[in-house]
Order: sequence, then C-alpha cells, then structure tokens
Amino acid sequence: AQSVAQPEDQVNVAEGNPLTVKCTYSVSGNPYLFWYVQYPNRGLQFLLKYITGDNLVKGSYGFEAEFNKSQTSFHLKKPSALVSDSALYFCAVSPLDSSASKIIFGSGTRLSIRP
Amino acid sequence: DGGITQSPKYLFRKEGQNVTLSCEQNLNHDAMYWYRQDPGQGLRLIYYSQIVNDFQKGDIAEGYSVSREKKESFPLTVTSAQKNPTAFYLCASKLAGGTQPYNEQFFGPGTRLTVL
Repeated sequence: AQSVAQPEDQVNVAEGNPLTVKCTYSVSGNPYLFWYVQYPNRGLQFLLKYITGDNLVKGSYGFEAEFNKSQTSFHLKKPSALVSDSALYFCAVSPLDSSASKIIFGSGTRLSIRP
Repeated sequence: DGGITQSPKYLFRKEGQNVTLSCEQNLNHDAMYWYRQDPGQGLRLIYYSQIVNDFQKGDIAEGYSVSREKKESFPLTVTSAQKNPTAFYLCASKLAGGTQPYNEQFFGPGTRLTVL
C-alpha cells in the first residue's frame, strides 16, 4: 500500500538552531513529493515540491527539502529556525498510477520553536 | 488562501440536520477535494472530483455527499447519517487532476463544524 510517514508528532527547536522535520514514503515508481504548512485554524499552504532533478529543493520562507531515493525520504529543513515557523507541517506524495488525483498526506508534525 | 473560498467559517448543527458547506475557486482548476481534519490529526479524504459532473469517494465518504455542477464549485453536504461530524473541513483544488500529478494543491481557509 502506498503511504507517507512522519515519524515525529512534535519537534522542538530553539530559535536560531537548524530544524529538520522527517518524512518517509512508500510508493511505486518515482513519486512527486510535497510539503505543506498549516497555521492554527487555517488551511494548508504549499511550501515546496520535488518533481525531478536536483535532490535539494528550495521553497518558501527559507525552507528546503532533500529527496533521498535510497532512503525513500524527503526531510524538510531550515538552517535557522524562527518562532514564526511554529506550525503543523504535512508531507504529501502524489502517486504516478491511476490514483494520481488522490494525494496521500502524512499525519503531520507539530513544530515548536522556543525563543 | 490562494483563490479558494469556503463558507461559512463556523457552522453549528443540531443532531439530525443536514448541512451544506460551500467551496468556490476562481483558479480555473479542474480537480477539487474535500478533507476532514480532527484535532491533532492529519487529513482524511472525503470526496474528490477531477472534472465537472464527476466525483469519486475518498476514504471516509459515508455520511457525506457532493455535487460538481460547475467547475468552480464543489459543495459538501454533511448528512444526518454522519455519526460524528464535528471537525474542521478543508476544501482544496488542483490544476488538471490526475493528468498532472506534479501540481500542488491550493487550500481554502476551512469550515469548523460543530454538532450541538
């Protein structure tokens, strides 16, 4: 079965430190991978995506993500965290088969940045 | 929130009542989606539509119904058959559905439904 896993429910980081939010996937073929962010009582906002090419993808708000095919991972990273980065982060994958319209979301990771 | 509007923002329903949540997009997107989000949890797909007059059940379609009569509109009805409807409902759209799986989704601001 195709799936996305975010193994950490919560990640706590001090402001100014680097942050990593983990994501692993299990899909057939080469997937398209996405990261979204959700602030309280709001919809999700798109951060970045991997389609093909360079394994390091840069996105909004200084975030980047590294695609690792051998480890089937797509971890979200930022070199220096801000308090305003505190939010709920979702990893998602779009399969390449006939169910391509059904995007698969991870369970989410709550990122908390302390001042 | 990217050209997608949802109304109302908050909705209260008595048990046994049907309610309809509105979702409108002006992005000219082909595909539209409805998700349910419970506190502290991820997104669960209720229904999705790739083109007008066509829609498919998602993972938790029981107790819900949709229509797609216009490209820009995808209303969701929560029926009395849905036993635990209190949740945050999110609508999303995507350009060209399954034929362009590399496109990201755009989300509306959500509707919070509470059953009294």
